[in-house]
Formats: sequence, structure tokens, C-alpha cells
Amino acid sequence: SQQGEEDPQALSIQEGENATMNCSYKTSINNLQWYRQNSGRGLVHLILIRSNEREKHSGRLRVTLDTSKKSSSLLITASRAADTASYFCATDNQAGTALIFGKGTTLSVSS
Amino acid sequence: KAGVTQTPRYLIKTRGQQVTLSCSPISGHRSVSWYQQTPGQGLQFLFEYFSETQRNKGNFPGRFSGRQFSNSRSEMNVSTLELGDSALYLCASSSDRNTDTQYFGPGTRLTVL
Repeated sequence: SQQGEEDPQALSIQEGENATMNCSYKTSINNLQWYRQNSGRGLVHLILIRSNEREKHSGRLRVTLDTSKKSSSLLITASRAADTASYFCATDNQAGTALIFGKGTTLSVSS
Repeated sequence: KAGVTQTPRYLIKTRGQQVTLSCSPISGHRSVSWYQQTPGQGLQFLFEYFSETQRNKGNFPGRFSGRQFSNSRSEMNVSTLELGDSALYLCASSSDRNTDTQYFGPGTRLTVL
């Protein structure tokens, strides 16, 4: 089934550094979303980018989308310890009836 | 606006029992979706309710069912619990389509012994 796959699975950085995580998917999409989850809690929506958009910003977040490569990246600039969480990309399935989530990237930011 | 709420937050059940989880969406949201999250399978879509009707369904057995009330609150039921049903069950709401931005609740942690 269509599914976003995040890379890397885990990422450890120091406070102040930038964190980049990638997402690849298999078939055409209408939009791609990124979510954050803190340790077994609910997911928090970060950003939605539509298939006709190439880049989007929100605060310290920058998301790019390359539909020709079926990939997206999430950049968090000037990371903080509070950014420690799992990050998931989600795409709509081909029928447009559900969101399909990847397995996530676990980001650890140490001070 | 108040966020999505889920009750209970934690549940412990034994195999063969049944369980009902509750979700109250953000006021004005008519779409409620349920997801199961496990370490092995990740986040998987269970089903979506919209205006009291199941609009979309994932690939789960019939033991998993749900309903939605006229005030958009939703319940999910799992019958004949199995050990593999132990998971974090997440509810999410959106104003219209379940492929739009989803607003998640804190989840219900179900442990089946």
C-alpha cells in the first residue's frame, strides 16, 4: 500500500544545529503533511504542502516537495531540546479516503 | 476552541473482553477518524465517521467497529480482545475530509493481558 517512508529512522543532534528528515512515497498525491509526536502522546500537525507547491515555511520549519522524485524533506532550523520527538510524514492514499503515515523519524536534541 | 479529547486515557483488559473508547472532536468538526499505533505496524487507519455515517474504512477485522453521534462525538469498540490489540488508539478530527489537516487527541493506551 502507498506509504511514506521517513529517513533517517533516528537522528541525534546538538541544540542549535539544523535537523533534516526526508520522506519518500510511492504514488501521486494531493498533499503531504508532517506531524510531530512527543513520547506516546497525540500527534500535532506541523505543516501541509499541496502537490502544486514546492516549498513552504512555518517558523523554524521548512518543507520542500519534489513530486518528480516523490519525496519531501522537513528542515528544522536552530533545534531546541523541546524539538525532541518523532516526526511523521503522511500522504493521502490514491482513493483520497485516508491518510497513510510513515514509520517516523525519531529526533533527539541534546543541550 | 477546546481540542480533541479522548477517554479513558489508559485501559487494561484481558483477552476475550470488549472495550469501548470515546472521542469528542473539536467543536464544528464533522469528520472523526480513528488510528491504531503500535511499535511494529506504526500508525494505521481504522475508519472515519462523517455525519454519523462510516465514510471510510481501513483494513481491520470486523471486531473493530465504531459509531458517531449527532453531536459528532464518536465511539470505537473492540470485541473479543486479543493480545495484539494492545496499542495506542488515536482519534483525530477535521472539518471536512479526513485527508485534510487532522487534529489529534492524546490517545487511549490499551493494554490487553
